[in-house]
Amino acid sequence: NAGVTQTPKFQVLKTGQSMTLQCAQDMNHNSMYWYRQDPGMGLRLIYYSASEGTTDKGEVPNGYNVSRLNKREFSLRLESAAPSQTSVYFCASSVGLGFGNEQFFGPGTRLTVL
Amino acid sequence: AQRVTQPEKLLSVFKGAPVELKCNYSYSGSPELFWYVQYSRQRLQLLLRHISRESIKGFTADLNKGETSFHLKKPFAQEEDSAMYYCALGGNNRLAFGKGNQVVVIP
Repeated sequence: NAGVTQTPKFQVLKTGQSMTLQCAQDMNHNSMYWYRQDPGMGLRLIYYSASEGTTDKGEVPNGYNVSRLNKREFSLRLESAAPSQTSVYFCASSVGLGFGNEQFFGPGTRLTVL
Repeated sequence: AQRVTQPEKLLSVFKGAPVELKCNYSYSGSPELFWYVQYSRQRLQLLLRHISRESIKGFTADLNKGETSFHLKKPFAQEEDSAMYYCALGGNNRLAFGKGNQVVVIP
């Protein structure tokens, strides 16, 4: 099993450009998450999907949109990238929503917005 | 609201010395607490959770509800313990992470 996979691994954008980060999991998990990791800030939740067909805002959703395409895939879209969105983005999945469930993380996407 | 505090950003210890990473939390409900670890060039992964009460790689953590703490401890640090450690609190609809501790074990 590949677990959680993310594409691309690295990306450089210019301010105002758009892009979609892809995430897929092969563990038959119901819940999926997008985080950003910034120095000194830890991981902050952007959006999550409790189950196929549902999405909800996390702690820092502004400037992002998500799509739960099917049970396996959960994409994150930046419509108009800004330098403040320079970060490392992690996708994660878990059997169910929250709290007592272990989350499994992807390798991350390092995004730079110039 | 959920909040996790990890006061030290960087912790340097000599090999063989004890390691303690502090984690305090704020949550009105019954907490689910975790320690996640990220080794260099690896993905973030679960180290241990309070509910399992087990020792992983020599690390232990005890939930103290009175002090709202979940400190991570290891009696003898090894070089392979050098990593970023995150305390996390599960509650409401999300897992809240602390800002992390960078641990450097000096040979």
